[in-house]
Amino acid sequence: DTGVSQNPRHKITKRGQNVTFRCDPISEHNRLYWYRQTLGQGPEFLTYFQNEAQLEKSRLLSDRFSAERPKGSFSTLEIQRTEQGDSAMYLCASSFAEGTEAFFGQGTRLTVV
Amino acid sequence: AQRVTQPEKLLSVFKGAPVELKCNYSYSGSPELFWYVQYSRQRLQLLLRHISRESIKGFTADLNKGETSFHLKKPFAQEEDSAMYYCALSVKGTYKYIFGTGTRLKVLA
Repeated sequence: DTGVSQNPRHKITKRGQNVTFRCDPISEHNRLYWYRQTLGQGPEFLTYFQNEAQLEKSRLLSDRFSAERPKGSFSTLEIQRTEQGDSAMYLCASSFAEGTEAFFGQGTRLTVV
Repeated sequence: AQRVTQPEKLLSVFKGAPVELKCNYSYSGSPELFWYVQYSRQRLQLLLRHISRESIKGFTADLNKGETSFHLKKPFAQEEDSAMYYCALSVKGTYKYIFGTGTRLKVLA
């Protein structure tokens, strides 16, 4: 286990298409986070899982966004009917417990054209 | 509201000069604060956290509750310190980390 893994690394899609990203956290971490980062900004919280339960969703996460973490292992983030404003770096992170270090993946860069 | 402010987008210093990256936070409870660093083409990684009170790569950060600050300091900057630095707050009971907008540190030869 070499850390948090995200796939794909880059995604270019046409406006209106659906996209899905995958995150594989560090295996012993039961907490998983999704963040979004746009140019010139720090990572912004999107959603959080503890095991398979989605415990918090940001107001940034519109109805077009859905995240799952079946069986408390990997997670997927789906964006339906993509818009140009969805273009960003989507970061996944995992941690062992609240307040402990969050380990980040390398991110998926989404470009909506 | 919980908030992290990093007032400087860019900080340029010469090699060997002291560095201070500013971070202020807004939080009513007892904060848990972190500094994360992102080197070119690498993932975001933890540099240090306030409760461990350790020095990593020569960097230290002291939590000042009176001034609600957690500034990152290094006495002598090195070229390899050039990176993006983010201050982050872990909010108890809400599961999330709140990040500042980041400061790009450039260490000039």
